[in-house]
Amino acid sequence: DTGVSQDPRHKITKRGQNVTFRCDPISEHNRLYWYRQTLGQGPEFLTYFQNEAQLEKSRLLSDRFSAERPKGSFSTLEIQRTEQGDSAMYLCASSLIEKDEKTQYFGPGTRLLVL
Amino acid sequence: KQEVTQIPAALSVPEGENLVLNCSFTDSAIYNLQWFRQDPGKGLTSLLLIQSSQREQTSGRLNASLDKSSGRSTLYIAASQPGDSATYLCAVRRSGANSKLTFGKGITLSVRP
Repeated sequence: DTGVSQDPRHKITKRGQNVTFRCDPISEHNRLYWYRQTLGQGPEFLTYFQNEAQLEKSRLLSDRFSAERPKGSFSTLEIQRTEQGDSAMYLCASSLIEKDEKTQYFGPGTRLLVL
Repeated sequence: KQEVTQIPAALSVPEGENLVLNCSFTDSAIYNLQWFRQDPGKGLTSLLLIQSSQREQTSGRLNASLDKSSGRSTLYIAASQPGDSATYLCAVRRSGANSKLTFGKGITLSVRP
């Protein structure tokens, strides 16, 4: 169990560019979540997957955002035509659903700065 | 809509002090409540999770309590140390199929040597 990993850890981009982030959950965890955290705020839910199925998307996830988990393992979050307001920490978390879900384990995050 | 509030936003205490961090939530139909720690620029570390049927959980110098009916939780830290300096976030998961967490803004704790 190596924990949740995210890549890259930091990304600086110019407004209008596309960016893609990757999350590798704890192996065997079947649920994967994306959250966004801006300075001084708590994380806000964006979307989550159970295996490869995307079960819910927040209203925060505009049509410029897309997330995938094609094989039910790692996930990618893509932001198209980035805006300065997209600057934030993007956090990934995973959990295991058996008969009762417990803790969500968070990765170190990807910090995005849009210039 | 669930709202989670943590007041104050920041707290500074001398080393060795026992302290209580507060969290309140508006919708009592929760599945569980978690306390997390976040160091600057880092991800979240889960400290304690309390199921809705439980009243408290303990881990080392930390004790978390839950009063679901009044929409409150407290995190008690005994004998605080400078290494406890961090932001402490409270998050609730509502009952039902959706397991997303709703977070407070956090309390930034500074423990002075």
